[in-house]
Amino acid sequence: DQQVKQNSPSLSVQEGRISILNCDYTNSMFDYFLWYKKYPAEGPTFLISISSIKDKNEDGRFTVFLNKSAKHLSLHIVPSQPGDSAVYFCAAPGSGGGADGLTFGKGTHLIIQP
Amino acid sequence: EAGVAQSPRYKIIEKRQSVAFWCNPISGHATLYWYQQILGQGPKLLIQFQNNGVVDDSQLPKDRFSAERLKGVDSTLKIQPAKLEDSAVYLCASSLPGQGTYEQYFGPGTRLTVT
Repeated sequence: DQQVKQNSPSLSVQEGRISILNCDYTNSMFDYFLWYKKYPAEGPTFLISISSIKDKNEDGRFTVFLNKSAKHLSLHIVPSQPGDSAVYFCAAPGSGGGADGLTFGKGTHLIIQP
Repeated sequence: EAGVAQSPRYKIIEKRQSVAFWCNPISGHATLYWYQQILGQGPKLLIQFQNNGVVDDSQLPKDRFSAERLKGVDSTLKIQPAKLEDSAVYLCASSLPGQGTYEQYFGPGTRLTVT
């Protein structure tokens, strides 16, 4: 049973336009969410996060929106650049009590077209 | 600041053989994680250490996988005996607990192919 779902395996966006990556979750206990970016043959790198007490967090070209009632979050990249081509993972830390290993979605492969 | 180091980067073994992976976390990071990433999937947590104690190993297949972090710094993950379905990238990550951000820093991973 997937607790974090990314239903779009891939997304193609033109350079300069907005990229919107979506993520849904089923576990109501999740109260923090992270986005990671991964290039081939490298480990994931942290991009941006959001706490459940907020509905938006912004960092430069990257904004994450959280809709708790819909159990949905999205990552917006504006404007999209060629270097943004990568796999993006949505993740949430686990059950508490110090056990905070991340539960990841399957990822969305973002391709920025010139 | 040096990142998370892992070795080897690639390993090919035959099924039923054993293999070990090594991880050196970022200096001062008390928490260390091992993840398994199968092709087309997101990383899946195998085990979490806090210093040299295990916090969570609920998803570790303990009949064949073992991990240790004896001095609270480096860690080793072992598979014995390996199966075809163990072919994956094994990622090590570390974090500084108590920061409230849950951010983890990942190494480059070890790609294991079991034939």
